[in-house]
Amino acid sequence: EAGVAQSPRYKIIEKRQSVAFWCNPISGHATLYWYQQILGQGPKLLIQFQNNGVVDDSQLPKDRFSAERLKGVDSTLKIQPAKLEDSAVYLCASSPDRDPPEAFFGQGTRLTVV
Amino acid sequence: AQSVAQPEDQVNVAEGNPLTVKCTYSVSGNPYLFWYVQYPNRGLQFLLKYITGDNLVKGSYGFEAEFNKSQTSFHLKKPSALVSDSALYFCAVRPQYTGGFKTIFGAGTRLFVKA
Repeated sequence: EAGVAQSPRYKIIEKRQSVAFWCNPISGHATLYWYQQILGQGPKLLIQFQNNGVVDDSQLPKDRFSAERLKGVDSTLKIQPAKLEDSAVYLCASSPDRDPPEAFFGQGTRLTVV
Repeated sequence: AQSVAQPEDQVNVAEGNPLTVKCTYSVSGNPYLFWYVQYPNRGLQFLLKYITGDNLVKGSYGFEAEFNKSQTSFHLKKPSALVSDSALYFCAVRPQYTGGFKTIFGAGTRLFVKA
């Protein structure tokens, strides 16, 4: 089966600019996650969707980050305006409808804010 | 609050020797526990998970993990290491019945297997 697709793979922007990342989960997976992985740290959950709805966004900096999952499939994560500390790898993952669900990760988008 | 600790930043082992990557956790109630591996320029891959029952869980690529409730540990093990096992390993925990659905990851342990 096809894996989780993410684009772009790499992005370099200046601070205060905006950026968007796209994710296409594995077909049939109802749950979609966005994680932020800063160098030397483990992934940190930013937002979790169950179909169209948000299950957890408690660690999403809502003043600058937003995410949506239209029609319960693809998702986009946006940062506006970006800060230097947003430099990280942004990982999208999806999981099947079983408990507990293991997550299937995409390759990530490496964001550098200069 | 739930947390995961991987006390070793790096583990070095010779090929053919057994390996252990340590993980301890703190969670309210019973945990679900996971191990993931990250190879260079690739996303995280699921290795194994503990749900309930047998304390020894077997996973992909010959890895296994031992759940110890009294020590709140979930160490990853392999009887005979391969050079190709060199990668970054993450332990993760999620409470079974409380705390919502959030899975917390450790900071990762880099495994080097020397030929």
